[in-house]
Amino acid sequence: KNEVEQSPQNLTAQEGEFITINCSYSVGISALHWLQQHPGGGIVSLFMLSSGKKKHGRLIATINIQEKHSSLHITASHPRDSAVYICAALLNRDDKIIFGKGTRLHILP
Amino acid sequence: DTAVSQTPKYLVTQMGNDKSIKCEQNLGHDTMYWYKQDSKKFLKIMFSYNNKELIINETVPNRFSPKSPDKAHLNLHINSLELGDSAVYFCASSPPHLSYNEQFFGPGTRLTVL
Repeated sequence: KNEVEQSPQNLTAQEGEFITINCSYSVGISALHWLQQHPGGGIVSLFMLSSGKKKHGRLIATINIQEKHSSLHITASHPRDSAVYICAALLNRDDKIIFGKGTRLHILP
Repeated sequence: DTAVSQTPKYLVTQMGNDKSIKCEQNLGHDTMYWYKQDSKKFLKIMFSYNNKELIINETVPNRFSPKSPDKAHLNLHINSLELGDSAVYFCASSPPHLSYNEQFFGPGTRLTVL
């Protein structure tokens, strides 16, 4: 079992739908990072969380430290949101980074 | 055997110097990356590179330049080092560029600029 698990692996939705991508981890972390990788390959950092909730535009990220779980939400999804979304855990035992395998999101117009 | 290796592990240098960090991967991957992790642990992508394309994060100063002598290596050269360059730099690699797969990270290089 991977120390960082994402679900779903693939998600197809209609434009306008509310999207939730989940990330669970089994190790102690100092922070959790959400990244977005576009079809062209470029990677963009979205959020880094150690507690609570952060919002940027239509994107919201939450983390529950006790439950070892984080979610990334997209409101009013748009085809340009189509990308791979990746969570990465910064381990507090040795500062290493473990990436989830990504969630491939496809928003249909 | 180490999949992604970086050298040196620690680098302490004076402001204004030019330095390089080396990265090697033995996974046969096509794409390699450099990340910077600052003192607040925030991770930022600096470059992604395969044999055909270099993608540069627009926030990266042009004092930083990646150089790839071959597919297994992506070295990071930094000119005229500044205090703000102090950070941990991670190299990573992954299979083909257009299909995201899990990235494999090197152990990091802690750069301290005095």
